[in-house]
Parts: sequence; C-alpha cells; structure tokens
Amino acid sequence: SQKIEQNSEALNIQEGKTATLTCNYTNYSPAYLQWYRQDPGRGPVFLLLIRENEKEKRKERLKVTFDTTLKQSLFHITASQPADSATYLCALDWGYQKVTFGTGTKLQVIP
Amino acid sequence: DAGITQSPRHKVTETGTPVTLRCHQTENHRYMYWYRQDPGHGLRLIHYSYGVKDTDKGEVSDGYSVSRSKTEDFLLTLESATSSQTSVYFCAISESTETDTQYFGPGTRLTVL
Repeated sequence: SQKIEQNSEALNIQEGKTATLTCNYTNYSPAYLQWYRQDPGRGPVFLLLIRENEKEKRKERLKVTFDTTLKQSLFHITASQPADSATYLCALDWGYQKVTFGTGTKLQVIP
Repeated sequence: DAGITQSPRHKVTETGTPVTLRCHQTENHRYMYWYRQDPGHGLRLIHYSYGVKDTDKGEVSDGYSVSRSKTEDFLLTLESATSSQTSVYFCAISESTETDTQYFGPGTRLTVL
C-alpha cells in the first residue's frame, strides 16, 4: 500500500535560517503533490501544489521540489520567522478525489 | 476556513448514542469530504460527495454514514458512537477542475465516553 513518510520529530530552526522539510513516499508517483500548513486547533491550509513534470515551484519565501526518481518532495521556507511555526503536511494528489495525507512535521522557529 | 463552517465545534457524547456533524459551505464547490485526524495517522478520508445525493466511501468509512441533500450541506452521522470514534473531524471542499486542492473547515472535536 502507498505510504508517506514525514519526519515525525519536530524540526527546530533559528529565525532567519532556511527550514527544509522532507516528504518521502513509496510505490507510485502521484500526478501532483501538495503542501499544507496546519496550526493547532485549526484545519489545514493549502500552500503549494507541484505537478509530476515540474522540478520546482516557488511562492514568496516558499519553495517545493518534486523528484519522482527519488520519490521525494522537499519543502523549503527561506528567511524563516516565528510565525512560520506550525505543522506542515504533504499530500499525494492522484486526481479523481484521491488524496493521501502525510502525518506532518512540526516546525518550530526559534527567535 | 473561508466559506466553510462546521457544527458543533465541540461535542461530548456517550457510547451508543447517535451523533450528526454538519458541514456548510458558501463556495458552491462540487466536492465535499469528511476526514478524521488522529495522532500518528494524519488525515484519513471517511466519505466524500461529488454532488447532491452522490457520495462514496473513503478509507475509514465503517461506522459512519453521510448525506448531501443540498450543494452547501454535507452531514456526517455516527449511528452508534464508539470510543474509537473519538477524534477531530474535518470537512473539506474542492472544485477539482484539474487537481484536488482542498479547503478545510475549522474542525469538530468529538469525544465519545
């Protein structure tokens, strides 16, 4: 069965540094890969989507890469700020209302 | 949480009682979803709807039923709640023109004693 692996341990990073979160998956590559942010007590919020034929996608301080050979996506936040502290979920989007979510990685940006 | 509300936001109930959770959207999106989120499991799909009166099962549908009589409302029912259904429940919507980017509601925390 399809598995998604995100670091279950929290990632602590100093303010101003680049945070890099990893999403690994097994078996087949999805058509799209999505990243969401989730704050405590709230629903996930969509951040970025990258297609299987795209290597990299950027949005402001965010960058996502998608390597279908390694079966891995990396999510980068440059110039991180304490307000970036949250849990980040990756999701494999197969199309046709089939999305598989990872368990998320908690990011803590230390001032 | 724009355009999506869930009610109630918190509920405590006893084993064996029926429970209905409501999701309401103002975005006129075609697709609606119910997920549960538990520590160590992430978000798991319970049921989804692709139109009025059109629904299908997700990964963890046992013990749950859904109904969608209007585009804007999607109900999740636990016919006879069990302690294993204690969880946080999220509703989501999507337009799904090409991808399935989803927009989530604020969640309902359900505790079954």
